[in-house]
Amino acid sequence: NAGVTQTPKFQVLKTGQSMTLQCAQDMNHNSMYWYRQDPGMGLRLIYYSASEGTTDKGEVPNGYNVSRLNKREFSLRLESAAPSQTSVYFCASSPGVNTEAFFGQGTRLTVV
Amino acid sequence: AQSVTQLGSHVSVSEGALVLLRCNYSSSVPPYLFWYVQYPNQGLQLLLKYTSAATLVKGINGFEAEFKKSETSFHLTKPSAHMSDAAEYFCAVPLTGGFKTIFGAGTRLFVKA
Repeated sequence: NAGVTQTPKFQVLKTGQSMTLQCAQDMNHNSMYWYRQDPGMGLRLIYYSASEGTTDKGEVPNGYNVSRLNKREFSLRLESAAPSQTSVYFCASSPGVNTEAFFGQGTRLTVV
Repeated sequence: AQSVTQLGSHVSVSEGALVLLRCNYSSSVPPYLFWYVQYPNQGLQLLLKYTSAATLVKGINGFEAEFKKSETSFHLTKPSAHMSDAAEYFCAVPLTGGFKTIFGAGTRLFVKA
């Protein structure tokens, strides 16, 4: 049982490059999330998908787009990377409302 | 708006000593509260959750937390620290509607031999 799997684990981008972070869960959860983690700021929600076919903005959506490809997969795209997007990105899933989240191992992204 | 505040970005204790990590929520009483733990280079995992059924909640690895409405607190404790408890701990609360969760800034726990 893999849980939540994120790829890649590490990535270095040049300013202006684009990339997609992939996330897949095998727990049949309805809801999926993308967070970024920065020192001293905890986790901040970028986008979430309450259920297959829906996506909504979180606290810090600017500069990002998402796709809920199917129930298992939820990808995060950076169209034109900026140094301010240097962070650790976590994907998570949960069964539904007010339930605990299950997190992936994270992607450490550096934009130079 | 609902929020959580964790007092102390770093806490250092000796092995065998009491662990106390502080979390306060904003004045509106949340129906749910969570503590998560993050070990180095890993994602977060659930330690325990409060769901209004009981004010004292027991979690994994000997941790527990007590919900105190009068103090708007949900502090995390463990009677005796182990070296393996060294990690970062996050308090979290789901917003009304439940899909958005607000995380505290985190408290890094150091355990000295």
